[in-house]
Amino acid sequence: KNEVEQSPQNLTAQEGEFITINCSYSVGISALHWLQQHPGGGIVSLFMLSSGKKKHGRLIATINIQEKHSSLHITASHPRDSAVYICAASPNNNAGNMLTFGGGTRLMVKP
Amino acid sequence: ETGVTQSPTHLIKTRGQQVTLRCSSQSGHNTVSWYQQALGQGPQFIFQYYREEENGRGNFPPRFSGLQFPNYSSELNVNALELDDSALYLCASRAGGAGYGYTFGSGTRLTVV
Repeated sequence: KNEVEQSPQNLTAQEGEFITINCSYSVGISALHWLQQHPGGGIVSLFMLSSGKKKHGRLIATINIQEKHSSLHITASHPRDSAVYICAASPNNNAGNMLTFGGGTRLMVKP
Repeated sequence: ETGVTQSPTHLIKTRGQQVTLRCSSQSGHNTVSWYQQALGQGPQFIFQYYREEENGRGNFPPRFSGLQFPNYSSELNVNALELDDSALYLCASRAGGAGYGYTFGSGTRLTVV
């Protein structure tokens, strides 16, 4: 079983829909990251959180430490949101806090 | 300098050859990690350097090696390339420990033929 699991693997939505991507992890963490990867490969860091909730524009990330679960929400989705969204954990059992990645969620938003 | 720059962006090598990939991090980013991302999969941790010393390594063979330099640049070297080494190689850097976020480069896409 992977230490970081995401669902769904693939998601297709209509423009304007509210989107939720889920991430569960099985290790203690110091931080949970949400990343966005476009087809060219480059990764953009969206959020780093260790508790509660963060919001940036139409993106909201939440984390429940007790349940070891995080969600990424996109409100009023747009075709330009189409990308792979990856959650990554910094386990607190390794000194370097190296990231362990989920498998990614491929999102396509249709106009 | 801002951002993380990787070079080259694309590379084709022959099985058995050696390759060096480069990453230039932001000033002050003394931690750099390298990741391998096979097509359709999430990135896998290769190793991490902190102040020019390796301080963590994933499940990769010794033919994957690295260096970090005082000017915040780093290298990933792969010897005796195999076809399965074909992947996107990403570097990510940060300015400190767990409280700092990562900045990722755009990656180097390596194809081994």
